[in-house]
Amino acid sequence: GDSVTQMEGPVTLSEEAFLTINCTYTATGYPSLFWYVQYPGEGLQLLLKATKADDKGSNKGFEATYRKETTSFHLEKGSVQVSDSAVYFCALSPFYYGGSQGNLIFGKGTKLSVKP
Amino acid sequence: NAGVTQTPKFQVLKTGQSMTLQCAQDMNHEYMSWYRQDPGMGLRLIHYSVGAGITDQGEVPNGYNVSRSTTEDFPLRLLSAAPSQTSVYFCASSYSNGLNTEAFFGQGTRLTVV
Repeated sequence: GDSVTQMEGPVTLSEEAFLTINCTYTATGYPSLFWYVQYPGEGLQLLLKATKADDKGSNKGFEATYRKETTSFHLEKGSVQVSDSAVYFCALSPFYYGGSQGNLIFGKGTKLSVKP
Repeated sequence: NAGVTQTPKFQVLKTGQSMTLQCAQDMNHEYMSWYRQDPGMGLRLIHYSVGAGITDQGEVPNGYNVSRSTTEDFPLRLLSAAPSQTSVYFCASSYSNGLNTEAFFGQGTRLTVV
């Protein structure tokens, strides 16, 4: 079945460092790909998404490109801030010919801590 | 703009007790889902619904029941709570326009079974 694998954390960076969180997936057809962020004590918020190959999702300085040839959707940010400290989840929406069924498959999450 | 509302936020149950976690959305989304979040496991799908009257099992359905009588509500029932059901539960609602889909999550219910 479909699955998502993302790099294990925790990841600790200094402010203004470059961030990469790797995410690869296994899926049939053409899934949509997402990055969700969870701040402490809160629910998940959509950070960015991409719905087809070579699409680049971006938001708040974060970027990820849907690479079908490498089945990857790595999250990057050029200069992290303390406020970026959170847990980041890579996820996919399985492809169905009749359209999405609304459910997501998640990676295990990567906890990011950014130190001043 | 309420979005997805889950109640309660916290709950402690004794083994064998039953309870219902409530979830309501005001975005008129067709799709609703329940996930559980456990340390090191990410979020795992329990049950989901593609519309009123239609539900299906996800990855970890055992010990949970759902029903969807209205578009807005999707309650999750624990019939006989077990310590293994200690977790944080998230409800989500989604829309889908062909390839374009997005899920919106509630704030979660932290459940402890003793």
